Amino acid sequence: DSGVTQTPKHLITATGQRVTLRCSPRSGDLSVYWYQQSLDQGLQFLIQYYNGEERAKGNILERFSAQQFPDLHSELNLSSLELGDSALYFCASSTGQGIDEQYFGPGTRLTVT
Amino acid sequence: GQNIDQPTEMTATEGAIVQINCTYQTSGFNGLFWYQQHAGEAPTFLSYNVLDGLEEKGRFSSFLSRSKGYSYLLLKELQMKDSASYLCAVHDRGSTLGRLYFGRGTQLTVWP
Repeated sequence: DSGVTQTPKHLITATGQRVTLRCSPRSGDLSVYWYQQSLDQGLQFLIQYYNGEERAKGNILERFSAQQFPDLHSELNLSSLELGDSALYFCASSTGQGIDEQYFGPGTRLTVT
Repeated sequence: GQNIDQPTEMTATEGAIVQINCTYQTSGFNGLFWYQQHAGEAPTFLSYNVLDGLEEKGRFSSFLSRSKGYSYLLLKELQMKDSASYLCAVHDRGSTLGRLYFGRGTQLTVWP
């Protein structure tokens, strides 16, 4: 158990819908990262937050947005969903104050039908 | 940007030794990580190298050569449970603190 929690574990929804994925980092970690992993793709970095502020953006679509709240949990919002958005979405956390390993949550498996 | 290259697939037999290579090109290398990921599960941290040389951790070792932009993960006494994807990730000095760039992973299959 990495100490990072993600909910829900599975999500099935229809095209055009909107969903919210939630992540709670390890105790003491200030940085949260979101990744997307499809069957035919590697781990794609989406976005990073540090202590409530956006720090880095990767291959995140405009239909996706995220935020980190004062209690440090984070949410990833996916809207106007398409079939191609079906993937595993991982959240990871780290202290963010040095070059330290990221601890990954169990992921949310999103299926868009 | 960052360019990280590792083989797509490898196979080996139980009890054997396997070496998974990773080459990278970054504008400002600042550390390399190896992660293990079983199918459908979260990646888990295996090792971190920032200086040249070999880091040993039980059956797993990781080597780094900064001048060659090269690392390898060495797995000894392979077990069936080592069948997984192995991800190489680098930290770039120009990137934000903590952000890693991941390779596409090497899928290792261990046969009995």
